[in-house]
Order: sequence, then C-alpha cells, then structure tokens
Amino acid sequence: DQQVKQNSPSLSVQEGRISILNCDYTNSMFDYFLWYKKYPAEGPTFLISISSIKDKNEDGRFTVFLNKSAKHLSLHIVPSQPGDSAVYFCAAISKEYGNKLVFGAGTILRVKS
Amino acid sequence: EAGVTQFPSHSVIEKGQTVTLRCDPISGHDNLYWYRRVMGKEIKFLLHFVKESKQDESGMPNNRFLAERTGGTYSTLKVQPAELEDSGVYFCASSSSGANVLTFGAGSRLTVL
Repeated sequence: DQQVKQNSPSLSVQEGRISILNCDYTNSMFDYFLWYKKYPAEGPTFLISISSIKDKNEDGRFTVFLNKSAKHLSLHIVPSQPGDSAVYFCAAISKEYGNKLVFGAGTILRVKS
Repeated sequence: EAGVTQFPSHSVIEKGQTVTLRCDPISGHDNLYWYRRVMGKEIKFLLHFVKESKQDESGMPNNRFLAERTGGTYSTLKVQPAELEDSGVYFCASSSSGANVLTFGAGSRLTVL
C-alpha cells in the first residue's frame, strides 16, 4: 500500500520554462513533507521541505505548495535549467511513524536546452 | 564535513551467498537509517538506529537481513543467504537528533545472480 504517490514517471520541459512535479499522499497523519533530488549513481539530496501548517515554501527557483484538503503537494522549478535534470522524490514524515521518511517512486525530470 | 559513506558501491553475488554492506554516517549523527530501492520503485524504509539501538526495524524484509551498529558509529547490513529479489540499491542515511532532513549516502548496488 503506497502512501506517497508520484503518478508521473517522467516529465520533459524546455530550458527556461516551469517544471511542475506532483505528489499525492493518503495518510492524513503526515505532518512534514520533503523533496529530494537524485542524480545517477548518487544518493538523494535534500532540496526543499514544508510543514503541514504551511501551504507554501520558497527557496530560490524552487517552491513547494501543499494542499492539505486534497492531500497533494507540488514542486515548482522556475526557470528550469539543464542541471535540474534528475529524479525527484517526494517524501513524507509522520510522528506516528517515528519520523521515518516515506517516499514516492520518483519522477524523472528532463530539461532540454 | 564528510558525508555519509557507503561501501561497496556495487556488489555482484550469486544466489545463496552472503554480502555485507557498510555505512559510515556523518560524525555525531545519532540517527542512522537503511533504505532500499528496487527496480526503479519507491525508496523503502528498512530500519532505524538511534546510536547503537534499533529504534524501528519494521521494514526489514525477513530474517535473512541483519543490521548492526556496534558502538553507535558505523553500521553493517548483512544479507545471508541472498536471494534474487534482494537485488537493488541500498541507501544509508543519517541525521542529528530531532532533525527531519536525512543526509543520504551514494548507495550500494546489490546484484544477485
């Protein structure tokens, strides 16, 4: 039973445009959400996070939006750059689960120059 | 600051053999986690150490997997005997006490033939 779902396996975007990566979750006990980026042969690296008490968090070109009623979050990258090409993982935490990360399956982002 | 180090980066073994993966967390991080990603799917939690104690091992697939963290420093994950379905990338991550963000290693790719 997958509690965090990334329904788009891949996304292709032109350089300079906006990339929007989506994530849905089923467990209403999740109270903290993170996005990780992963390059081939490397481990996931932390990108940005958001607490469930907020609906938006921005860090430079990256913005995460949280819609609790819809159990949906999204990551916006603008403008997209070729170096952003990677696998993006959505992850969620619940104190109920002892703060362990629950990951989605990832979305491959390709930014074309 | 050195990151999370994992060894080996890639291991190829035959079914029935034993493999031991090692993880050196960031110095001073009490929390150490093992995760696994199989066949491009989600990154799944295996277990969580706090110092030398197993806090949560609910994700361990079966008793062929044994994790240790003697002295609360590095950790090992042994698979004995290995089966075909154990193939995947095993990630180690660490965090300081109370932190939500985990720092991941580059992973150990295990191929069981």
